[in-house]
Amino acid sequence: DTAVSQTPKYLVTQMGNDKSIKCEQNLGHDTMYWYKQDSKKFLKIMFSYNNKELIINETVPNRFSPKSPDKAHLNLHINSLELGDSAVYFCATAGWGTEAFFGQGTRLTVV
Amino acid sequence: QQQVKQSPQSLIVQKGGISIINCAYENTAFDYFPWYQQFPGKGPALLIAIRPDVSEKKEGRFTISFNKSAKQFSLHIMDSQPGDSATYFCAASMITSGSRLTFGEGTQLTVNP
Repeated sequence: DTAVSQTPKYLVTQMGNDKSIKCEQNLGHDTMYWYKQDSKKFLKIMFSYNNKELIINETVPNRFSPKSPDKAHLNLHINSLELGDSAVYFCATAGWGTEAFFGQGTRLTVV
Repeated sequence: QQQVKQSPQSLIVQKGGISIINCAYENTAFDYFPWYQQFPGKGPALLIAIRPDVSEKKEGRFTISFNKSAKQFSLHIMDSQPGDSATYFCAASMITSGSRLTFGEGTQLTVNP
């Protein structure tokens, strides 16, 4: 069983579209994250959820909206996609102050 | 403002050599310093981590050296192997923010056979 699974793995879409990325974890952790990895491979946190509540919201355009229906799921919805949104998005999960486990990533390409 | 700075950006070593990657941090509130390894098409995976109460931690061929006064830490890979070729990220976090990670810029390591 994959500990942190994301779908889809690849996403190609046109500018202006709305898309969602789904994440599920089976580790029983309370905290889930979304990270963005840009074309230079730099990883930066976007959001953090603890027990379905948003606790960190970095400087991210409000076109990005995370949603956590339950502790095991954290989805990322992106409205009005722009070329600059092209990146790899990683979901991660961790217990408080412990190792973070990452999903395989979703490569988003906006054309 | 980049709170964790990593160097070099890329590193090429011969099989059997020692790979050394360095990181420096600014925020003295950081209290957990992991290294992540990422292969192409995969997510980062924890390699080894250290807390500031120790100056060195070794796991197999991988060693973290930590210098609290200099606010620096480094990863040493002994007897580097072609299978170690990957991107390595240092990171830092603080217990008060859970496991939220601030990453360095990454180092692309290539180990030639």
